[in-house]
Amino acid sequence: QQPVQSPQAVILREGEDAVINCSSSKALYSVHWYRQKHGEAPVFLMILLKGGEQKGHDKISASFNEKKQQSSLYLTASQLSYSGTYFCGTGAAGSQGNLIFGKGTKLSVKP
Amino acid sequence: DAGITQSPRHKVTETGTPVTLRCHQTENHRYMYWYRQDPGHGLRLIHYSYGVKDTDKGEVSDGYSVSRSKTEDFLLTLESATSSQTSVYFCAISESGLGNYGYTFGSGTRLTVV
Repeated sequence: QQPVQSPQAVILREGEDAVINCSSSKALYSVHWYRQKHGEAPVFLMILLKGGEQKGHDKISASFNEKKQQSSLYLTASQLSYSGTYFCGTGAAGSQGNLIFGKGTKLSVKP
Repeated sequence: DAGITQSPRHKVTETGTPVTLRCHQTENHRYMYWYRQDPGHGLRLIHYSYGVKDTDKGEVSDGYSVSRSKTEDFLLTLESATSSQTSVYFCAISESGLGNYGYTFGSGTRLTVV
């Protein structure tokens, strides 16, 4: 039931793009994306609700395909500050807001 | 400032002792969650609360209990700590139980059971 994230890790040079995928075997109501830097708490990036929407946040955007139960996070023109571990959290309808998190994707951006 | 604080930040305890972790919020949010984070597992839900005295179990609740007697406080108790409960514990709050609001996480408690 835990969503599967891919890739597990990615190394980029500044300015390169990356895509992180999140796939669930359950019907989803929402997908959340968080970034966590080493030794810190996860920080909320964005949320997508069922309806196949796409959202943007500066150079970070995401899409949600509810039919495929998949979400993708797009990082464009990466910056050093994008380094960290990215988690998707999936929510089902009626789950009291509970999220099931993937194991994370570690992103390293090098100069 | 952040609206959510966890205490203690670090704790070392002995096997078999009870331990209580505290999560305190000033946002007046109804929904509160306890997660544990372990390498290779991501964040796993222990217990959650959807109001004062309203709590329920998550996916890894064995060996843990919770209490919420006030909106602002959500306590997690390890009834008899074991080495497998060595972990980083995060509390999170949310404005809604519909999944349409993001979580705000506390800074975490690093617990070591020896």
